[in-house]
Amino acid sequence: GAVVSQHPSWVICKSGTSVKIECRSLDFQATTMFWYRQFPKQSLMLMATSNEGSKATYEQGVEKDKFLINHASLTLSTLTVTSAHPEDSSFYICSAQPLGLAGGSNEQFFGPGTRLTVL
Amino acid sequence: AQSVTQLDSQVPVFEEAPVELRCNYSSSVSVYLFWYVQYPNQGLQLLLKYLSGSTLVESINGFEAEFNKSQTSFHLRKPSVHISDTAEYFCAVSLYNQGGKLIFGQGTELSVKP
Repeated sequence: GAVVSQHPSWVICKSGTSVKIECRSLDFQATTMFWYRQFPKQSLMLMATSNEGSKATYEQGVEKDKFLINHASLTLSTLTVTSAHPEDSSFYICSAQPLGLAGGSNEQFFGPGTRLTVL
Repeated sequence: AQSVTQLDSQVPVFEEAPVELRCNYSSSVSVYLFWYVQYPNQGLQLLLKYLSGSTLVESINGFEAEFNKSQTSFHLRKPSVHISDTAEYFCAVSLYNQGGKLIFGQGTELSVKP
């Protein structure tokens, strides 16, 4: 149980285009999903917290107009990188927190990641 | 502000040797503590966690970690490593009642050699 999927697993796009990444909780409902960015050989940096039915909360320094997050249902959150540029190339990882665990163990389940390469 | 420090960026060891990956945290409030493992080009997998109770927690694959409140540490240990343990290991903390936001350490690359 507690499986999180991401689609696509990798994507290559041209500079200036937009890319959408999906994060799904397959066997549980998630009130909260998180989006992280990871550069090679570095740790995960939280980009934003996504709550179902409300606006995402972005971390300091993350452009909300650049990284659009939509959490339309309890099993799906999407991250859209708008007008992508080479510096947006990175490994994007999402995680989901099961319904009912908020304020409890805070455990998150991670997706396998999406590698974005912008040419 | 909260922070997590993993003192070793790389730890090379020989197979069947013991290993310790160090993790220290700084927080003015109570935290939950986690160790995650990441294999190349994959997401993170939970290795073990400390929420409350016994300060020694164990994983199913032989790893253990001990929460030391006085030293604000949560070091990860394994008495005998395998080649398959080669991966990146991340220590993380989550604050009580803060919606689950995780703060990660810099990661430690464990490299097990035959």
